[in-house]
Amino acid sequence: AQSVSQHNHHVILSEAASLELGCNYSYGGTVNLFWYVQYPGQHLQLLLKYFSGDPLVKGIKGFEAEFIKSKFSFNLRKPSVQWSDTAEYFCAVNARGADFNKFYFGSGTKLNVKP
Amino acid sequence: GAGVSQSPRYKVAKRGQDVALRCDPISGHVSLFWYQQALGQGPEFLTYFQNEAQLDKSGLPSDRFFAERPEGSVSTLKIQRTQQEDSAVYLCASSKSGGAPGELFFGEGSRLTVL
Repeated sequence: AQSVSQHNHHVILSEAASLELGCNYSYGGTVNLFWYVQYPGQHLQLLLKYFSGDPLVKGIKGFEAEFIKSKFSFNLRKPSVQWSDTAEYFCAVNARGADFNKFYFGSGTKLNVKP
Repeated sequence: GAGVSQSPRYKVAKRGQDVALRCDPISGHVSLFWYQQALGQGPEFLTYFQNEAQLDKSGLPSDRFFAERPEGSVSTLKIQRTQQEDSAVYLCASSKSGGAPGELFFGEGSRLTVL
C-alpha cells in the first residue's frame, strides 16, 4: 500500500514569512499528487494538483508545489504567508492503475500564522 | 446542489447503537467516496461507488460498516453496533468522472462520537 508522510505536524509563522511544507510518498508507479487545505470550520478543498507535465505547479492563493520524482516528494511553498492562510494542509497521492479510486492522505500539517 | 452535503454534521451515539450518515453529492457526479478521519490523522479510504455500483469496499474496517447508493446519487453510510473506536469524522467526496477520479470535492463531514 502507498503511504504519505508529512513531517511537519504543526508550523507557526509570522505574516510575510516564507512557507515550505514537506510531503513524501512511497509508491513506485505513476501518481497524481494533490494538496488540500482545510480552513477552520470548513471542508477540505483543493489547493493544487499535479498530473503530468511541468513539475512546478501553481495553485490558488499564491501557493505552488514542486514534484521531484527522484525524491518522491511534492513540497508545498508560498513566498509570503498571510494570517488567512491559517489552516490544516493535507498532501494526497492517487496512483494510476488498479488503485485509481483510492487517495492516500498524509496526517496533515497545521499552519498557524501570527498577525 | 452547489457542493457536497452531509448530514448530520454531529452525531452522538451510545455504544451499541446503529447510526446512519447521509451524503448528497454534487449533481451529476459519477463517483462517490467515503473516508474516515480520526483525530489528528488524515482521511482514510473506506469505500467507492461509481453510480450505484460499489466497486471498492476494501477500506471498510469491519462488517458493521455498510454503504449504499441505490439510485446513483445520495449515499448512506451505516454503522451497526457502534464502538468507541468508530468515533471519527466521516467524509464524503464526489468527483465528476467515472474513471480516474481527478479532483475530489469534499463535504464538511459528519462527526461521530460514540460514548
